[in-house]
Amino acid sequence: KAGVTQTPRYLIKTRGQQVTLSCSPISGHRSVSWYQQTPGQGLQFLFEYFSETQRNKGNFPGRFSGRQFSNSRSEMNVSTLELGDSALYLCASSRGTEGYTFGSGTRLTVV
Amino acid sequence: EDKVVQSPLSLVVHEGDTVTLNCSYEVTNFRSLLWYKQEKKAPTFLFMLTSSGIEKKSGRLSSILDKKELFSILNITATQTGDSAVYLCAVEATSGTYKYIFGTGTRLKVLA
Repeated sequence: KAGVTQTPRYLIKTRGQQVTLSCSPISGHRSVSWYQQTPGQGLQFLFEYFSETQRNKGNFPGRFSGRQFSNSRSEMNVSTLELGDSALYLCASSRGTEGYTFGSGTRLTVV
Repeated sequence: EDKVVQSPLSLVVHEGDTVTLNCSYEVTNFRSLLWYKQEKKAPTFLFMLTSSGIEKKSGRLSSILDKKELFSILNITATQTGDSAVYLCAVEATSGTYKYIFGTGTRLKVLA
């Protein structure tokens, strides 16, 4: 079966711009979570969506936002990009009864 | 503050060795602890632990949780070069602003 699909795989943006990342979960998975991974901070939780509702939110500024559509696909948006936003952004989906399945991530570079 | 600490940070062993990776945690309203293996980009799920003292096994990998002492270990026996990866521990908490708190991982390198 298809895994978690994230697009684009790579992205280069300049400071001040905004970016939208997309995540298509495994079919039947209604929970989608987003994570930021940097070498220094490890994997940090951004937010989780379930049935189009944000269920949990990590400790990130309001520039980071997301949404989930009725087909469970999710998007993450980062506005007013900063150099420190350069990271690998991972999306993970779950049916809810076991661990999450991660996508391959979107590597964002802010220059 | 909720936190998950993994040790050691990195480890180099030879094929055939047995390794033990540690994960300790302090979180509010613990729900489960998960282990992931990350080789390139996407972490892959290994185990989910919710009960103390019950060992979970998958081939050469096994893991156990101690909810009294707030830690878990991941054992890998007869290591192979394909086990080289970063092993991540994550704790699910049901309150506060975080859903999953990840440790920074243990980087394991297995030499042929």
